[in-house]
Amino acid sequence: DQQVKQNSPSLSVQEGRISILNCDYTNSMFDYFLWYKKYPAEGPTFLISISSIKDKNEDGRFTVFLNKSAKHLSLHIVPSQPGDSAVYFCAASAKSGTYKYIFGTGTRLKVLA
Amino acid sequence: DAGITQSPRHKVTETGTPVTLRCHQTENHRYMYWYRQDPGHGLRLIHYSYGVKDTDKGEVSDGYSVSRSKTEDFLLTLESATSSQTSVYFCAIGTGGNQPQHFGDGTRLSIL
Repeated sequence: DQQVKQNSPSLSVQEGRISILNCDYTNSMFDYFLWYKKYPAEGPTFLISISSIKDKNEDGRFTVFLNKSAKHLSLHIVPSQPGDSAVYFCAASAKSGTYKYIFGTGTRLKVLA
Repeated sequence: DAGITQSPRHKVTETGTPVTLRCHQTENHRYMYWYRQDPGHGLRLIHYSYGVKDTDKGEVSDGYSVSRSKTEDFLLTLESATSSQTSVYFCAIGTGGNQPQHFGDGTRLSIL
């Protein structure tokens, strides 16, 4: 059973507009959440994270929101740029001492110039 | 970039042959992970290591073994490769705590 879900396989957005990528999780033990960006033929690169004690974290154009009651997080990219076109994965980990991540299936974002 | 090198970057082999993938890090991180990426599944953890000679299974460990004899090297072995193990394999390293894992550039493995 998929503990971390990204229900939108793809998303297209005009350059300059906001991109919103969503992620849902089922395990209430998850306490740390991350977003990774992946370009073709490269490894995933860390983008932004959030701890369960917060509901928002910002880093430049990227903001992650966490709604614990809904078990939902989202990544906002404002303004979107063509270089943001990539696959985005959300990931979650639980307090376990092993720091293992469970990844979603990814959302392919295409930013149109 | 985090100092992570995966080798080989590409490999084609036949069903039933043994395959070993290598992950080498220069960061002295305690934790190392092997993932596979497949369409529709995202990244799934195969095995991980929390120190030299300390390893444990992930969610898709069947058919794979690992070894870590030195801090810097983490090997993934397919004892007898099957076509279902055709995938892109990523190594990651981490320091633990709320610090992100960092990934290598992957190994594309095709088993015919």
